[in-house]
Amino acid sequence: DSGVTQTPKHLITATGQRVTLRCSPRSGDLSVYWYQQSLDQGLQFLIQYYNGEERAKGNILERFSAQQFPDLHSELNLSSLELGDSALYFCASSDARGSGEQFFGPGTRLTVL
Amino acid sequence: AQSVTQLGSHVSVSEGALVLLRCNYSSSVPPYLFWYVQYPNQGLQLLLKYTTGATLVKGINGFEAEFKKSETSFHLTKPSAHMSDAAEYFCAVSRSGGTSYGKLTFGQGTILTVHP
Repeated sequence: DSGVTQTPKHLITATGQRVTLRCSPRSGDLSVYWYQQSLDQGLQFLIQYYNGEERAKGNILERFSAQQFPDLHSELNLSSLELGDSALYFCASSDARGSGEQFFGPGTRLTVL
Repeated sequence: AQSVTQLGSHVSVSEGALVLLRCNYSSSVPPYLFWYVQYPNQGLQLLLKYTTGATLVKGINGFEAEFKKSETSFHLTKPSAHMSDAAEYFCAVSRSGGTSYGKLTFGQGTILTVHP
């Protein structure tokens, strides 16, 4: 158990819909990262937040957005969903001590029908 | 920009045989290097990491990797494979330095199959 929690575990929805994925980092970790894992693209970095501020952005679509709240949990919002958005979405967290290690949650499997 | 290439999307070994999973990276700055393992329907678990210091790093479950700067490689090895090692393995690189680490760039993954 990494200490990172993600909800829900599975999500099935239709094209055009909007969903919210939630992540709680390990206690004390200030950084949260979101990754997408798909058969086509592999594991890709989406976005990073550090203590509530956006810190780095990867290949995140404009239809996707994220935020980190004062209690450090984070949400990834996916809107106008398309079939190609079906993937496993991981959240990871890291501390501020400089170890570089990221701890991954169990993921949310999104299926868009 | 950073990138990772894992040579071989599938590797098959017999139980008790040497495991060698290859990883080459590209980075314009000193890299931090990682190997993660993913079991079916689970998240990623860190096997080992190289940040600074000793270039031969030991991880969990008997795995180790050696950072070779001249070859830009970070290959993962285990002397004797066990059935429980069957999983998908990912090599990843990130930038070094600072208290806020950026993205992990992952390789495409190598699926390890262990035969009895």
